Amino acid sequence: DTGVSQNPRHKITKRGQNVTFRCDPISEHNRLYWYRQTLGQGPEFLTYFQNEAQLEKSRLLSDRFSAERPKGSFSTLEIQRTEQGDSAMYLCASSPSGGVNTEAFFGQGTRLTVV
Amino acid sequence: DAKTTQPTSMDCAEGRAANLPCNHSTISGNEYVYWYRQIHSQGPQYIIHGLKNNETNEMASLIITEDRKSSTLILPHATLRDTAVYYCIVPDGGATNKLIFGTGTLLAVQP
Repeated sequence: DTGVSQNPRHKITKRGQNVTFRCDPISEHNRLYWYRQTLGQGPEFLTYFQNEAQLEKSRLLSDRFSAERPKGSFSTLEIQRTEQGDSAMYLCASSPSGGVNTEAFFGQGTRLTVV
Repeated sequence: DAKTTQPTSMDCAEGRAANLPCNHSTISGNEYVYWYRQIHSQGPQYIIHGLKNNETNEMASLIITEDRKSSTLILPHATLRDTAVYYCIVPDGGATNKLIFGTGTLLAVQP
């Protein structure tokens, strides 16, 4: 078990470009979450997957954002036509199923800078 | 919105116990209290969680008041590596059990 892995760790992109981030959760974890964190703030929830099904999306997730989790394993988060306001740390977390008594394990995050 | 309130920052001397308070006055009977911490530029790290009884693990102790409206995280012998933002969280239950983070408490351990 190597924990939650996120790639890349850092991404610098020009405004208007598309970017894609990858998250590899802990194997056999059914639940997968994406969060976004800006400087000085706590992480904000973006979206949640139970296996391959995307069951909840935050209103923060505009139409330019899309997330997938094919086959219920790794997940990708794509941002189209990036804007400077998208600059943030994007965090992925996974947890096993089991109701409300389970902790989430976070990756190290992908830091996005839009110039 | 987060269901918890915490002080913005605290200091602690190295080697002393760090006591981090949290208010969660609207917590309901079956909701757990979780604590995570985030060291600069890293992802949040799980510390401990509890429902009503006090809990202890290798990292910390969690003391929950009898009315469950507040709790205290105790790091028994703080080190410089414990300097981090500490988040007290009552997850949003239901199917997702997602974490709703506030701004947390920045604990600065002083040498």
